Amino acid sequence: DTGVSQDPRHKITKRGQNVTFRCDPISEHNRLYWYRQTLGQGPEFLTYFQNEAQLEKSRLLSDRFSAERPKGSFSTLEIQRTEQGDSAMYLCASSSPGSDGRPLHFGNGTRLTVT
Amino acid sequence: GESVGLHLPTLSVQEGDNSIINCAYSNSASDYFIWYKQESGKGPQFIIDIRSNMDKRQGQRVTVLLNKTVKHLSLQIAATQPGDSAVYFCAETSGNEKLTFGTGTRLTIIP
Repeated sequence: DTGVSQDPRHKITKRGQNVTFRCDPISEHNRLYWYRQTLGQGPEFLTYFQNEAQLEKSRLLSDRFSAERPKGSFSTLEIQRTEQGDSAMYLCASSSPGSDGRPLHFGNGTRLTVT
Repeated sequence: GESVGLHLPTLSVQEGDNSIINCAYSNSASDYFIWYKQESGKGPQFIIDIRSNMDKRQGQRVTVLLNKTVKHLSLQIAATQPGDSAVYFCAETSGNEKLTFGTGTRLTIIP
């Protein structure tokens, strides 16, 4: 499978715990994006990387959230001191450098439940 | 399985009929539009895209129409099949990397 891969698929955690998600983009894609989706809503942009550089962050990305892409390949999204409001699907997407960054190809997400 | 959207606009279509899903956008500077399909428990799957210098684009069984005058986008699916049942999202961007998604429409194909 050469699509975007996310791990884990599901994560249940207690409020106050830290969680980390991983995304492996399509191998030749140099742009990587994180989105969040809550029930009944479309995905909302969180942040994006071009290679290892984080170029934009949404106001949705509070200080408890941090994303990294240290070698320009896979990325991690960490949430510290989780809150119940963090419960959502976290989606990763990547895009090719040769297509003006469009369209985005999404993974199947990590479903986070904070109890 | 989990549900992507519980209170979405819905559209039910008889199998084999054509369906049209509509989307309105507000940003007149938007220059690129995409339709995604999302099945339960999965991420959005790219269907078709269109740039603002076009008003129609066709794919396999799908057609996207763009009316910039009224800021309206539609997705037409021909000869619908049970596998077309999903939530459909339009998304747009205005020259930056941030896609803005609509609220989605749940399409149900009736056998």
